[in-house]
Amino acid sequence: DTAVSQTPKYLVTQMGNDKSIKCEQNLGHDTMYWYKQDSKKFLKIMFSYNNKELIINETVPNRFSPKSPDKAHLNLHINSLELGDSAVYFCASSPQGGARNQPQHFGDGTRLSIL
Amino acid sequence: AQRVTQPEKLLSVFKGAPVELKCNYSYSGSPELFWYVQYSRQRLQLLLRHISRESIKGFTADLNKGETSFHLKKPFAQEEDSAMYYCALYTGRRALTFGSGTRLQVQP
Repeated sequence: DTAVSQTPKYLVTQMGNDKSIKCEQNLGHDTMYWYKQDSKKFLKIMFSYNNKELIINETVPNRFSPKSPDKAHLNLHINSLELGDSAVYFCASSPQGGARNQPQHFGDGTRLSIL
Repeated sequence: AQRVTQPEKLLSVFKGAPVELKCNYSYSGSPELFWYVQYSRQRLQLLLRHISRESIKGFTADLNKGETSFHLKKPFAQEEDSAMYYCALYTGRRALTFGSGTRLQVQP
């Protein structure tokens, strides 16, 4: 059973379009995250949610809007896509409100390519 | 500000050779450090964390607060160890700060 699943795996689209990436976890975790991995493989936190409440918003353009309908889902909607948005986006989750010592479980990633 | 530095982008060794993947951190609080691994075409997964003081797949890592380091070591590399390795620091804001990653290539 997949613990953290993201859809789609690949997303190719044109500049200016709006797209969404979905994430679901079946681990019963309270906290979910979105990370961005750029072309140099550098991983950076974008958002984290704890029980549907936004905890972290790391200076991400407001074209990116996360939505958490329930604690098992954290979707990422991106408006007016730009070339610099091309990256791999990873969803992750962790238990106990993201407390220290708790490992994060990652999805397979969504590779977004902007033409 | 918190920072994790992995100075090597690529580390290439022969099978059976010792491996050391370097990680240095900068953090004013009490650090909580992890190593994550990403095998080819697989998801990022936890390899080990300093608080557990465990050895996973023959890898160990010791937190050295004096040198602010958390290097990952294995005495004898195997071909299946080839992967991307990330050092990560928990910063108390319910998220991890990752290093830029080191690709380990174990040649036969």
